[in-house]
Amino acid sequence: QQQVKQSPQSLIVQKGGISIINCAYENTAFDYFPWYQQFPGKGPALLIAIRPDVSEKKEGRFTISFNKSAKQFSLHIMDSQPGDSATYFCAASKVLVGNEKLTFGTGTRLTIIP
Amino acid sequence: DTGVSQNPRHKITKRGQNVTFRCDPISEHNRLYWYRQTLGQGPEFLTYFQNEAQLEKSRLLSDRFSAERPKGSFSTLEIQRTEQGDSAMYLCASSTPLMAQHFGDGTRLSIL
Repeated sequence: QQQVKQSPQSLIVQKGGISIINCAYENTAFDYFPWYQQFPGKGPALLIAIRPDVSEKKEGRFTISFNKSAKQFSLHIMDSQPGDSATYFCAASKVLVGNEKLTFGTGTRLTIIP
Repeated sequence: DTGVSQNPRHKITKRGQNVTFRCDPISEHNRLYWYRQTLGQGPEFLTYFQNEAQLEKSRLLSDRFSAERPKGSFSTLEIQRTEQGDSAMYLCASSTPLMAQHFGDGTRLSIL
C-alpha cells in the first residue's frame, strides 16, 4: 500500500530553470510533510518541510506548495543549478498524534544540465 | 553538531550469517529511528525508540531482526540468518519530539 505517491520518477531541467516534483497522499491524518535530498552514498538530508495550516513555504530557492483539499504537495526549485542534481523524496508523518515515523515517496532523480 | 553516525558503512556477508549495525544519534536527540532503503526506492520505516523504549516495529521487521537502544544512547540493529532479500541500505535517523529527523549515511548490506 503506497500511501505517498511521487512523480515524476526522473526529471531533466536546464540550468536556471524551475524543477517541479509532485506528491499526493491518501491518509488525511498526515500533518507534516518534509522534502529530503539524497546524494549517492549519502543519507537523506532535510531540505524544507510544511504543515497543513499553510499553503506555501519558501526557503531560498526551494518552495513547497500545499493543497490540503486535493491532498497534494509539490517542491519547486527555482534557478536550478548542477549542484541540485540528486534524488528528492517527499515524505509524510502524523506528528500531532505522536506517530512521527516517516512514510516516503518513491523518489525523483533530478538532473540539471548546463 | 557531529551528526548521526553509522558503522560500518558497508558490510558484505554470506547468506546465513548474522550481522550487527550500530547507530550513534545526535547527542541531545531522544528519538531514534531505523529505516531500510532498497535501490530506486524511498526509505521504509522499520522501528523507533524513545530513549531506551522501543515504541513501534514495522511488519517489515521479521523475527530475524532485533533492535536495541541500551541506556537510550546508541542503538544496534541485528539481522540473524541473513537472506538475499536483506540486501539494502540501513538508515538511522534521530530527532527530538516534533522536530525534523536527521539521517546518517547508512550501512550498505550486501549478501553474497
